[in-house]
Amino acid sequence: SQKIEQNSEALNIQEGKTATLTCNYTNYSPAYLQWYRQDPGRGPVFLLLIRENEKEKRKERLKVTFDTTLKQSLFHITASQPADSATYLCALEPDNYGQNFVFGPGTRLSVLP
Amino acid sequence: KAGVTQTPRYLIKTRGQQVTLSCSPISGHRSVSWYQQTPGQGLQFLFEYFSETQRNKGNFPGRFSGRQFSNSRSEMNVSTLELGDSALYLCASSLSPATTNEKLFFGSGTQLSVL
Repeated sequence: SQKIEQNSEALNIQEGKTATLTCNYTNYSPAYLQWYRQDPGRGPVFLLLIRENEKEKRKERLKVTFDTTLKQSLFHITASQPADSATYLCALEPDNYGQNFVFGPGTRLSVLP
Repeated sequence: KAGVTQTPRYLIKTRGQQVTLSCSPISGHRSVSWYQQTPGQGLQFLFEYFSETQRNKGNFPGRFSGRQFSNSRSEMNVSTLELGDSALYLCASSLSPATTNEKLFFGSGTQLSVL
């Protein structure tokens, strides 16, 4: 069956360290993958998009990788800050036929001062 | 530029009632997608409207319906509410049909509680 998993429901790290979040998928063949941030009581906010032919994408302190062989995307936040505390969601297109996003369950990141 | 606006912000209903939620997309955006978010199931796709036509539909019962108006504003309706319909309902807009190469802009959602 098809599924998207994110490594853990919650992740605690110390301020200044690098947070690494994992998104694994099964029985999908996405051409793209996106990452969103969601704060409590708010809607998700788009962060980064990565295409299947891109190994890595960066934006300021954020870095995303996409390995179609491993069926995995990694999301890194370097020099993490307490303000980075939020839930992070990965999303992919189920196939190449214009179907809508499927979202992962999210990882709740807490950056401790 | 104003963001995606959803009204109402909170709603309390009882079983069997019906509810209508509203979403105003970012100006110029023609696609509106609706999602249901619950702690157990995460974000689940309900449907997408583009230029007043339903483009895609998720795996939800027929009690869930929607529509889009000529100004791109969208409404979703849930009839015969059940306790399990309690959730955060999010709408998202995008310039063109929502696929993964098109980033979504979400509203803050409507928190629906069914008693």
